[in-house]
Amino acid sequence: SQQGEEDPQALSIQEGENATMNCSYKTSINNLQWYRQNSGRGLVHLILIRSNEREKHSGRLRVTLDTSKKSSSLLITASRAADTASYFCATDAMNSGAGSYQLTFGKGTKLSVIP
Amino acid sequence: DGGITQSPKYLFRKEGQNVTLSCEQNLNHDAMYWYRQDPGQGLRLIYYSQIVNDFQKGDIAEGYSVSREKKESFPLTVTSAQKNPTAFYLCASSIDPTGAWNTEAFFGQGTRLTVV
Repeated sequence: SQQGEEDPQALSIQEGENATMNCSYKTSINNLQWYRQNSGRGLVHLILIRSNEREKHSGRLRVTLDTSKKSSSLLITASRAADTASYFCATDAMNSGAGSYQLTFGKGTKLSVIP
Repeated sequence: DGGITQSPKYLFRKEGQNVTLSCEQNLNHDAMYWYRQDPGQGLRLIYYSQIVNDFQKGDIAEGYSVSREKKESFPLTVTSAQKNPTAFYLCASSIDPTGAWNTEAFFGQGTRLTVV
């Protein structure tokens, strides 16, 4: 089942502009993560924000989490052509049957940064 | 270098054949996962394993099988029972099998399977 949903599905910006992607989810979470995927490649972990955190920074990345609205945003500042990729949010939720937390990925936002 | 290696990168399967996708990790992670990705879609969980000699079905396990005989290896077999196997397959691992404190996943580079 797909828990996280990214918005927009696609985003095209000029180099140097900021890019904002949003993620909404349905059930309570332990953590929320953002991943990046270059075309035809595996996913690379960008940042993890815990349910008791509201904001986190990593280089040009800024992630916010609003658990009351069940939403998160990823901001990439001063974008570069090399940021062109698909970005996915992933939420973890307890699978009581398995006794473990499992990641559920959204469909992703395809970001194009035009030089 | 530590990481996850998937092979082959491209795989072609004839109708009715079983094929096996390889996934090896040297990160000493307990948990390993197989995901399927279709164009424009997110990742869907096929199978996962929290420990050697144990694995659990994910959301779309039908037509697939796995084994976990060694900690570092988690091969996926796509059987002839999988009616629409053409997709991009991603293997991942994580250090914490329960995910209670860390669910960060490390991914391989994927195998693109095409039915011909």
